[in-house]
Amino acid sequence: VQLMESGGGLVKPGGSLRLSCEGSGFSFNYAWMSWVRQTPGKGLQWVGRIKSEIDGGTTDYAAPVKGRFIISRDDFRNTVYLQMNSLKTEDTGVYYCARDQHYSGSGSYPAYWGQGRLVTVSS
Amino acid sequence: NFMLTQPHSVSEPPGKTVTISCTRSSGSIASDYVQWFQQRPGSSPSIVIFEDDQRPSGVPDRFSGSIDSSSNSASLTISGLRTEDEADYYCQSYDFNNQVFGGGTKLTVL
Repeated sequence: VQLMESGGGLVKPGGSLRLSCEGSGFSFNYAWMSWVRQTPGKGLQWVGRIKSEIDGGTTDYAAPVKGRFIISRDDFRNTVYLQMNSLKTEDTGVYYCARDQHYSGSGSYPAYWGQGRLVTVSS
Repeated sequence: NFMLTQPHSVSEPPGKTVTISCTRSSGSIASDYVQWFQQRPGSSPSIVIFEDDQRPSGVPDRFSGSIDSSSNSASLTISGLRTEDEADYYCQSYDFNNQVFGGGTKLTVL
């Protein structure tokens, strides 16, 4: 399993940014994918996830990003995206893409992680 | 939503055994699986325990996980500590379409 993120960088407060994550070494179209971030000096915070299309393709988001961030997927490109809008300084951090392992019902956890991309929100 | 509380740091010498706790604030610890992640400096997190007590292939059997309903907590135990075990450790669980991480525990092996 390999996950290769791209995108990120410096953006002003209120701006937008998109991260991409291309997966390989597994059946991407069956995978549930998550984004997890790590803010400076702090721990891990789940951002959100997208289920496989066969499981409905629905998305779930953490409260701090709901309404501002959008997760989408392109199974033809084996890629998941994180569109970040109305960015705030507190969104600054390293963003990891992860392939989830899902189990009964809607439970899942990030089993494989990408290398992470730095997003800096600053004026 | 619930919170997962971990000690900020623990320290033990090489060869000893350490246990890191993860206490769930509300709801039962047994209501959903608990995972544990190791993050070494400068690296991405990697899973060391999944589904309460399962160890991925490649993770030494010195690592073990458990849950205790009486204290509503999960534990990660590392025996025969080695210097390469020095890292941050995070517990994680799930509830109502939300994944929740603990605040992390810094393990120092000295």
